[in-house]
Amino acid sequence: AQSVTQLDSHVSVSEGTPVLLRCNYSSSYSPSLFWYVQHPNKGLQLLLKYTSAATLVKGINGFEAEFKKSETSFHLTKPSAHMSDAAEYFCVVSLSGYSTLTFGKGTMLLVSP
Amino acid sequence: IAGITQAPTSQILAAGRRMTLRCTQDMRHNAMYWYRQDLGLGLRLIHYSNTAGTTGKGEVPDGYSVSRANTDDFPLTLASAVPSQTSVYFCASSDGAGGGEDTQYFGPGTRLTVL
Repeated sequence: AQSVTQLDSHVSVSEGTPVLLRCNYSSSYSPSLFWYVQHPNKGLQLLLKYTSAATLVKGINGFEAEFKKSETSFHLTKPSAHMSDAAEYFCVVSLSGYSTLTFGKGTMLLVSP
Repeated sequence: IAGITQAPTSQILAAGRRMTLRCTQDMRHNAMYWYRQDLGLGLRLIHYSNTAGTTGKGEVPDGYSVSRANTDDFPLTLASAVPSQTSVYFCASSDGAGGGEDTQYFGPGTRLTVL
């Protein structure tokens, strides 16, 4: 079985300050991990994914995430928030060889001027 | 290249009516998926298809059916809609054979309201 927990339902930051969105996963085997972003009334867009290569994964728009097996975490970070980063972010886990994704409940990122 | 298209964009439906949500992809992806998104619950998998001619059940399949007659199309049917099926529905496809490491690409969604 696999599961994912996003530790914050909402995160508020000021423009230009760092972003940290936290995600913990549970998986019996080696997982693949993803972060997706959803802007209001839009579909989901892949930010980055981890598939057992480098543990520090760089994605689009300056985001990155680090896979920490010992902590079962895959936190998403960005050094400096931009107003356009305001959106909902989903941490997602899947098992190698299986097509089903398990989504976290999402973290809404609010960016103030 | 359009990617994934879904139709309709939104729909209001009377309970008990039959409804088919359409999904078409032009990327020649083997695997396709249907999710529903509800506030505070994230996305939950309804049905999936790893290749044309095959389908499988996801986490919340009850009340829904799918077919995969060809690579490009993956319609989702609600045989007799109920208010609890009010949701936003997303279709997705992936470019692998349905493995967990495949990236899934999402359509713009269909907002369905069942009264």
